[in-house]
Amino acid sequence: NAGVTQTPKFRVLKTGQSMTLLCAQDMNHEYMYWYRQDPGMGLRLIHYSVGEGTTAKGEVPDGYNVSRLKKQNFLLGLESAAPSQTSVYFCASSYFWGTEAFFGQGTRLTVV
Amino acid sequence: GIQVEQSPPDLILQEGANSTLRCNFSDSVNNLQWFHQNPWGQLINLFYIPSGTKQNGRLSATTVATERYSLLYISSSQTTDSGVYFCAVGLGNTDKLIFGTGTRLQVFP
Repeated sequence: NAGVTQTPKFRVLKTGQSMTLLCAQDMNHEYMYWYRQDPGMGLRLIHYSVGEGTTAKGEVPDGYNVSRLKKQNFLLGLESAAPSQTSVYFCASSYFWGTEAFFGQGTRLTVV
Repeated sequence: GIQVEQSPPDLILQEGANSTLRCNFSDSVNNLQWFHQNPWGQLINLFYIPSGTKQNGRLSATTVATERYSLLYISSSQTTDSGVYFCAVGLGNTDKLIFGTGTRLQVFP
């Protein structure tokens, strides 16, 4: 099994450009999460989903949108990228609340 | 919101030494995990341990949920143990997994 796969692994954007990060999981998990990690810090939750068609805000949702049209995919969108969104983005999934979460390999995004 | 504090923030060891990392949390949790982030940035699951004790090779972990802390033990440390260790907790009545700020471990030969 591939587990949790993120696409792309690296990306450079210009300020104001838009992009979508894709997260795919093949474990039939209900819950999916998007986090960002900034230098020297832990991971902060951006948005999450508790099932197909649902989304909810995390700790730092501003400037991001998400969609969960299919159970196995969770998309993170940046409509108008800003330098403050330069970060490493991690996707995760878990079967249900309170169960073990598994993470993707991360996407390094630089906004110039 | 819930506070997740890890200590120490930094730890430097010589190969072969033992260490204990601590995670304190401020509310009841239904989920606690320990992760190792290696120097390449990958997050590796170490333990899923909302309560009790588990062991995996040189690593073991104990969570005392009633006293709101968890400990990660590393014995006979190796240079490959270097990286950042995170604990993450899930609250009793929400779906979120909240991370601590991590312990940065450096193991020298």
